[in-house]
Amino acid sequence: EVQLLESGGGLVQPGGSLRLSCAASGFTFSSYAMTWVRQAPGKGLEWVSAISGSGASTYFADSVRGRFTISRDNSKNTLYLQMNSLRAEDTAVYYCAKLPGTYCSGGSCFLVYWGQGTLVTVSS
Amino acid sequence: EIVLTQSPGTLSLSPGEGATLSCRASQSVSSNYLAWYQQKPGQAPRLLLYGASSRATGIPDKFSGSGSGTDFTLTLSRLEPEDFAVYYCQQYGSSPWTFGQGTKVEIK
Repeated sequence: EVQLLESGGGLVQPGGSLRLSCAASGFTFSSYAMTWVRQAPGKGLEWVSAISGSGASTYFADSVRGRFTISRDNSKNTLYLQMNSLRAEDTAVYYCAKLPGTYCSGGSCFLVYWGQGTLVTVSS
Repeated sequence: EIVLTQSPGTLSLSPGEGATLSCRASQSVSSNYLAWYQQKPGQAPRLLLYGASSRATGIPDKFSGSGSGTDFTLTLSRLEPEDFAVYYCQQYGSSPWTFGQGTKVEIK
């Protein structure tokens, strides 16, 4: 059974940093691209970032490019999202999700399995 | 960036009825790379359909999708209490991937 468990959320001041983790189990982690999607309170979904199975290819939304970094440790079956220079508008539940293939390409960029999310609140 | 507009915003229906949800794209979605997700309160979204009409693993045939280009539809038949939720479409044909704002299907 595929399981994705996010952690690392919390309250942080504007301009601060936070690192989210997503522990994966139930599948061969290194064979699948992964992604982060966020949802502001009471709002819709926004794609944030994605990474290929090997970690060699990464993708970012314009709203976070240059501030967020995505990475993975395939030996630990864990996905990360390093968030710097946080803003109030980054406040959201952050979900990690598994994609159907090794790369996000050729129609394989939909989200097959989702974690339960971790809440990030940016406020002074 | 492709903007997805879902309609209606809210659909009020009774159990047993059917529902038709629309997702319209601001430009053509490449190869009909469109997915639908269901989200219940306090839960993560769940993949229902991909490629506009292919059901994900374990999704019953009461959920069906159609459409191409810029106009897509999610059809739900014989609504049951567990089907009342928010439904999102997502295009993954071109970066950045984008989601619609959601359609809430509520009990009338």
